Amino acid sequence: QKEVEQNSGPLSVPEGAIASLNCTYSDRGSQSFFWYRQYSGKSPELIMFIYSNGDKEDGRFTAQLNKASQYVSLLIRDSQPSDSATYLCAGFMDSNYQLIWGAGTKLIIKP
Amino acid sequence: NAGVTQTPKFRILKIGQSMTLQCTQDMNHNYMYWYRQDPGMGLKLIYYSVGAGITDKGEVPNGYNVSRSTTEDFPLRLELAAPSQTSVYFCASSYLPGSTEAFFGQGTRLTVV
Repeated sequence: QKEVEQNSGPLSVPEGAIASLNCTYSDRGSQSFFWYRQYSGKSPELIMFIYSNGDKEDGRFTAQLNKASQYVSLLIRDSQPSDSATYLCAGFMDSNYQLIWGAGTKLIIKP
Repeated sequence: NAGVTQTPKFRILKIGQSMTLQCTQDMNHNYMYWYRQDPGMGLKLIYYSVGAGITDKGEVPNGYNVSRSTTEDFPLRLELAAPSQTSVYFCASSYLPGSTEAFFGQGTRLTVV
């Protein structure tokens, strides 16, 4: 069964520090990976996606993909209290147009 | 643009009742999805569609049905509601699911009592 695994947390990080969120996946056929942020009671919203090995940066966010080791990570620099949310990792299955979702990591930024 | 519009936002059903969750998108996306999200869990795919007239089962289709008569609309039908269907339901649409953002509706919080 194709799976995406995340540590459920909560992960507590001081304001201004770097938050590191990790995700592993089981299917080597996964083509691209997405990080979504979900505030409590709200719908998910895209942070960024990555499909090539290496790093991809967008403002305070950096996504990292290592296909050989089958992991994806999201780094949040200069963490703000507004970054407190659940972060969902999803892998795209090209074979059936589906996203396979992890259970999410709850991030808490402490002022 | 309205994006993805999902109704209702909240609903309480009695066991055995049926209902339809409505989903409409105005972005001309071919790909549409229905997910359920249980507390503390990720999204589980119920059904998806790659275009009008084409639907397929996801990971947890039992107890649900869908139709896709137009590009815009993708309703989800619950037949004979059961307590196990208590969840938050999200509809989503995407232009190219592997490389573009999936846009989500506001969600429907359904309780079956």
